[in-house]
Amino acid sequence: EPEVTQTPSHQVTQMGQEVILRCVPISNHLYFYWYRQILGQKVEFLVSFYNNEISEKSEIFDDQFSVERPDGSNFTLKIRSTKLEDSAMYFCASKQETSSTDTQYFGPGTRLTVL
Amino acid sequence: AQSVAQPEDQVNVAEGNPLTVKCTYSVSGNPYLFWYVQYPNRGLQFLLKYITGDNLVKGSYGFEAEFNKSQTSFHLKKPSALVSDSALYFCAVRDYAGAGSYQLTFGKGTKLSVIP
Repeated sequence: EPEVTQTPSHQVTQMGQEVILRCVPISNHLYFYWYRQILGQKVEFLVSFYNNEISEKSEIFDDQFSVERPDGSNFTLKIRSTKLEDSAMYFCASKQETSSTDTQYFGPGTRLTVL
Repeated sequence: AQSVAQPEDQVNVAEGNPLTVKCTYSVSGNPYLFWYVQYPNRGLQFLLKYITGDNLVKGSYGFEAEFNKSQTSFHLKKPSALVSDSALYFCAVRDYAGAGSYQLTFGKGTKLSVIP
């Protein structure tokens, strides 16, 4: 069964450094998402991406964040200058079609630790 | 704004007994409701969803959920729990807003422990 994959599984970085989290969505999916979960808190929506542009974003997704689909298979989340409060589990998800009823399928997550 | 509440941080149940994981929601408009499960070191796995139709929805691994509009609830159930069901369960909702992109709003999760 096709799965969403994410790399790395764990990323440790110093405050102020740039990080790029990578995701490979399911191959025939059209919508892509990033969510995050701060330890002990809810899973929160960050951004959705369709047709090579952001379609929706939350207030969390400020100018420090960017997303890109550089090569038709990878979907990346970049944090330009990490802050301590960016430490969280970051989940990528993808969805097959434009129907609003379609299910989002999630990857295993990348645990980001900012020191 | 849409929201989801999972009132129990943890649910303990003996193997073979029925289990219920509770979820209530608040949305404007018709709700689309989802349950996901997270096993240790794994991503969120889709279990089931309610969009419309029959209030009892059947999903993966023998799980089912009952949509109750009057109580704004979408409790997850299983008739006979297995030790392998032990995991973190998330309820999520999205408010219908037309075709296209949408976001999921998650509850904080309920840890299910099935005791042998």
